[in-house]
Amino acid sequence: KQEVTQIPAALSVPEGENLVLNCSFTDSAIYNLQWFRQDPGKGLTSLLLIQSSQREQTSGRLNASLDKSSGRSTLYIAASQPGDSATYLCAVRRGSARQLTFGSGTQLTVLP
Amino acid sequence: SAVISQKPSRDICQRGTSLTIQCQVDSQVTMMFWYRQQPGQSLTLIATANQGSEATYESGFVIDKFPISRPNLTFSTLTVSNMSPEDSSIYLCSVGGQGAEQYFGPGTRLTVT
Repeated sequence: KQEVTQIPAALSVPEGENLVLNCSFTDSAIYNLQWFRQDPGKGLTSLLLIQSSQREQTSGRLNASLDKSSGRSTLYIAASQPGDSATYLCAVRRGSARQLTFGSGTQLTVLP
Repeated sequence: SAVISQKPSRDICQRGTSLTIQCQVDSQVTMMFWYRQQPGQSLTLIATANQGSEATYESGFVIDKFPISRPNLTFSTLTVSNMSPEDSSIYLCSVGGQGAEQYFGPGTRLTVT
């Protein structure tokens, strides 16, 4: 059974810092990995999708990497802003199954 | 990308009653998924809803408690039946295609008193 772990559970940084969020998964036979952002009491916003054959994806200040063999992904946020404060979730999709297995999330607070 | 709407956005319900949550997508999709997010927890898949067939439920979830309808390729409903305070959660529907991103609705925040 796939298990997804995110470390740290919470992170607080001053504005302007670069930061890295970590995601690990136990079964490397994944189809893709997706990073989401969730604001308090809200739904999920998709940030980046990495296919199993890819090593990284970039969108603006965000860069996600994937090392499938070691079961790890990182989300790098450059020049953090208070508006980046949210919970960040990673989720993996296995094989032909379309449902996602989620990590428990990292709650990020960027202090002005 | 798919645009997904859910109704209601939130509700407060009495123990023992039922609530039906609606999910509408702006394009035709084969599969729709229903997730639950309990307070302080991550998302857990409840069931997968295919148009024209019975929903497939994950371990720990049963049809009598969470009946699902999928009358067409753009719409689905999830009913939370005989509610108890433990059912207080955010319920989210999701869609996704082969090899594609998954998109989520804004969620329905349910509080059971």
